[in-house]
Amino acid sequence: DGGITQSPKYLFRKEGQNVTLSCEQNLNHDAMYWYRQDPGQGLRLIYYSQIVNDFQKGDIAEGYSVSREKKESFPLTVTSAQKNPTAFYLCASSPVGRSGTGELFFGEGSRLTVL
Amino acid sequence: AQKVTQAQTEISVVEKEDVTLDCVYETRDTTYYLFWYKQPPSGELVFLIRRNSFDEQNEISGRYSWNFQKSTSSFNFTITASQVVDSAVYLCALSVTGDQAAGNKLTFGGGTRVLVKP
Repeated sequence: DGGITQSPKYLFRKEGQNVTLSCEQNLNHDAMYWYRQDPGQGLRLIYYSQIVNDFQKGDIAEGYSVSREKKESFPLTVTSAQKNPTAFYLCASSPVGRSGTGELFFGEGSRLTVL
Repeated sequence: AQKVTQAQTEISVVEKEDVTLDCVYETRDTTYYLFWYKQPPSGELVFLIRRNSFDEQNEISGRYSWNFQKSTSSFNFTITASQVVDSAVYLCALSVTGDQAAGNKLTFGGGTRVLVKP
């Protein structure tokens, strides 16, 4: 089945440690996105990528880093510089340009807790 | 900049009652899409509907209906005869299509948690 796979589903981290969240898609979508969700605040965009080897900062990129070496993969690293990393992280993908109608396809999310 | 506001943070109803979720948006673009997503406790977002800015026709899909009014910048969602399985967070979102370089970035509202009691 086509879709988006995020791992791990749950992750615990000690303060000062970097952690990488995985996101893989087999929908052949060009664009991929990372969103952060906090209670009562909806989703906020961290980074997005429209094409391999290129990505742009979203609204809350500080303390995060990404890479896009393959079309299928868009891992997110939460660095020790992120002041409040405990949150629910959602990865999404979409077609780009004329083939896109604005809809995003989401993974099941990764819940990160900093101890 | 775009903005989406869902003023209701939580709504609690008894099964079979109707529930209406409000969504108000702000954008200077004339071409845009509006969305509703359902987020059950498992966390994954489930796409419900997409409406483009040139189509103000209301839509009904089973027990779900949507009312789009450009004059008030609103895109409200009604669940008729609610069921326990409707309990979830519902998110309204907006994307503008004028900036192709921006891709399909969605701006989300804060979400409304719906609790349907048996």
